[in-house]
Amino acid sequence: DTGVSQDPRHKITKRGQNVTFRCDPISEHNRLYWYRQTLGQGPEFLTYFQNEAQLEKSRLLSDRFSAERPKGSFSTLEIQRTEQGDSAMYLCASSLFGDSYEQYFGPGTRLTVT
Amino acid sequence: DQQVKQNSPSLSVQEGRISILNCDYTNSMFDYFLWYKKYPAEGPTFLISISSIKDKNEDGRFTVFLNKSAKHLSLHIVPSQPGDSAVYFCAASARTGNQFYFGTGTSLTVIP
Repeated sequence: DTGVSQDPRHKITKRGQNVTFRCDPISEHNRLYWYRQTLGQGPEFLTYFQNEAQLEKSRLLSDRFSAERPKGSFSTLEIQRTEQGDSAMYLCASSLFGDSYEQYFGPGTRLTVT
Repeated sequence: DQQVKQNSPSLSVQEGRISILNCDYTNSMFDYFLWYKKYPAEGPTFLISISSIKDKNEDGRFTVFLNKSAKHLSLHIVPSQPGDSAVYFCAASARTGNQFYFGTGTSLTVIP
């Protein structure tokens, strides 16, 4: 396993459209996190899963955002009715809870809403 | 409210010298800290961690120091190399490890 992967790497969409991103974590990792990063800022926490259970969501995560992790493996993040303010880098990370707290990040999906 | 702060947006250091990157936090419940390095168009790469039961952790050229009373941590890179040029983020969490709060990053340039 070579690490966390994300697809697509880049997405350009028109305002009002729905988009979905996928994250494949490191295979033995039981925790999966989604972050959003805008220019000049550090990653901001959105939500995380332990196995298939979504355990925490940030106040930043409006009801247009939904995340799933069926079967505790890959995860998807969907944004409905995109707005220009959703333009950002969406980062996925995974970790092995119970071993350490280090999170390993994927390369991110750059979303541009026009 | 920014709970983790990196007050130096950028730092330039000569190759071979020491780089010191600083990070301050406000939440006294934070007791686990991570440093990440990020190159353009890539995700952050984990560098080194420290928990509050320690005041120092070393890994090769990288050393992290934690001063709990001052709510301050620093990353030392010795000797600095041109390949170290990147943006460095510190992150903090309470022991649950559920949510990490990141600073805004410091852009390090190592001059050959």
